[in-house]
Amino acid sequence: SQQGEEDPQALSIQEGENATMNCSYKTSINNLQWYRQNSGRGLVHLILIRSNEREKHSGRLRVTLDTSKKSSSLLITASRAADTASYFCAAENTGGFKTIFGAGTRLFVKA
Amino acid sequence: KAGVTQTPRYLIKTRGQQVTLSCSPISGHRSVSWYQQTPGQGLQFLFEYFSETQRNKGNFPGRFSGRQFSNSRSEMNVSTLELGDSALYLCASSMEGESGNTIYFGEGSWLTVV
Repeated sequence: SQQGEEDPQALSIQEGENATMNCSYKTSINNLQWYRQNSGRGLVHLILIRSNEREKHSGRLRVTLDTSKKSSSLLITASRAADTASYFCAAENTGGFKTIFGAGTRLFVKA
Repeated sequence: KAGVTQTPRYLIKTRGQQVTLSCSPISGHRSVSWYQQTPGQGLQFLFEYFSETQRNKGNFPGRFSGRQFSNSRSEMNVSTLELGDSALYLCASSMEGESGNTIYFGEGSWLTVV
C-alpha cells in the first residue's frame, strides 16, 4: 500500500540556490530511491540509497536516509532551470515491493 | 536497448466504454507494474506482474484488471469507464532477483474519459 508523505508539496527557488525535499515512509525498507518526472512524462531514476547507508552523493544530488525516523531527504545543489520537475521517492519494503509515495514535490527553478 | 514502450500514448473514451493499454518492458525485465497518476492523487499503484502472475495489487476496484504474457509484455484493462478514470497510466519494468532493482518507466498513456 502507499503510505507516507513528501514535503514540501511545491518549492520555488532561484537558479543557483539549493533545493531540499523530504520523504517519509512507514514500512521497514531495503532501500529508497528518488525519481524525477518532467511534466506529463515518465519517471526517471536518480539515485538509490540502501537501508544500511546514511548518505549518498551523485553529481549535484545528495541523499540522506534516517531509518530510525523513517525519512529521507534529497538535496539538489546549485539548481538549474532544467531541474524544474516533480520529484518522488520510492521505498522498497522488506517484502521486496516498491511503493511510490504521495504526490511528490514539485520543484520550480527560476532563471 | 529499447526502453519501456506504452501504447497508445493518447486516447479519448466515453463513459461506460472499456479500454486496453499495452506495455512492452525492457528486454530481459520480467516484472511489470502499472500506476495511475492524477493531479490530485499523485501516483497510485495498480498492480504488479511477474512471470505472468499478479504478485501485488493496489486498492482499485475490480474494473481495473491486467495480465502479463509469456514474453513479459503486459496489458491493463479498465471496464465501464468513469470520468474519474481520466489519468496518465504509467507502466514500469524492472529486473528481478535482486534487491535494489531500478524501476524504468514508460512515457505513459494519457486517457481522457468524456
